[in-house]
Amino acid sequence: EDQVTQSPEALRLQEGESSSLNCSYTVSGLRGLFWYRQDPGKGPEFLFTLYSAGEEKEKERLKATLTKKESFLHITAPKPEDSATYLCAVLPDSWGKFQFGAGTQVVVTP
Amino acid sequence: NAGVMQNPRHLVRRRGQEARLRCSPMKGHSHVYWYRQLPEEGLKFMVYLQKENIIDESGMPKERFSAEFPKEGPSILRIQQVVRGDSAAYFCASSPPANSPRNSPLHFGNGTRLTVT
Repeated sequence: EDQVTQSPEALRLQEGESSSLNCSYTVSGLRGLFWYRQDPGKGPEFLFTLYSAGEEKEKERLKATLTKKESFLHITAPKPEDSATYLCAVLPDSWGKFQFGAGTQVVVTP
Repeated sequence: NAGVMQNPRHLVRRRGQEARLRCSPMKGHSHVYWYRQLPEEGLKFMVYLQKENIIDESGMPKERFSAEFPKEGPSILRIQQVVRGDSAAYFCASSPPANSPRNSPLHFGNGTRLTVT
């Protein structure tokens, strides 16, 4: 059965303190891995798509990487506005059913 | 704003009433997904539709829940005879047709928060 596990569940950072979030997955073939950011009371906002192992994407202080079994979201020198829940999702080979992890709640304090 | 539109944003129903949640996908998108989210939990897949066709409803409870995406108009998630356990945030997402060049991400609306009293 396809599974997506995110760790840690919660992360508290000081402003400027870099860290990484993990997304481990088991799927029967991967068509894509997606990272989203979700703010309280809002829907998930798309950040990145990764398609193959070794691929990397960057956007401001965020960088996503992908291996055959996991993805990392690196947050470099975070600011308080980076506080949010970060979700990853996988799209398996079979067909278009996106499966989400439970998310990592990130709090960045000044 | 050409994003995914959901309404209402908040819906309060008494036990036993019906809830109807609406979703208009992004322009050019023909596929709609419904997800449910409980506090401190991730998004749980409910149903995947394209116009006039349910592709996968494996995440939908067998009773009281139904979804449609007609040829004209928004997608509707309908919950009959609501119970307290139905209280949650319901998110709709849309995507382009499956034969798009690369597998496109889902784009989400801001959800409908259903409270059953």
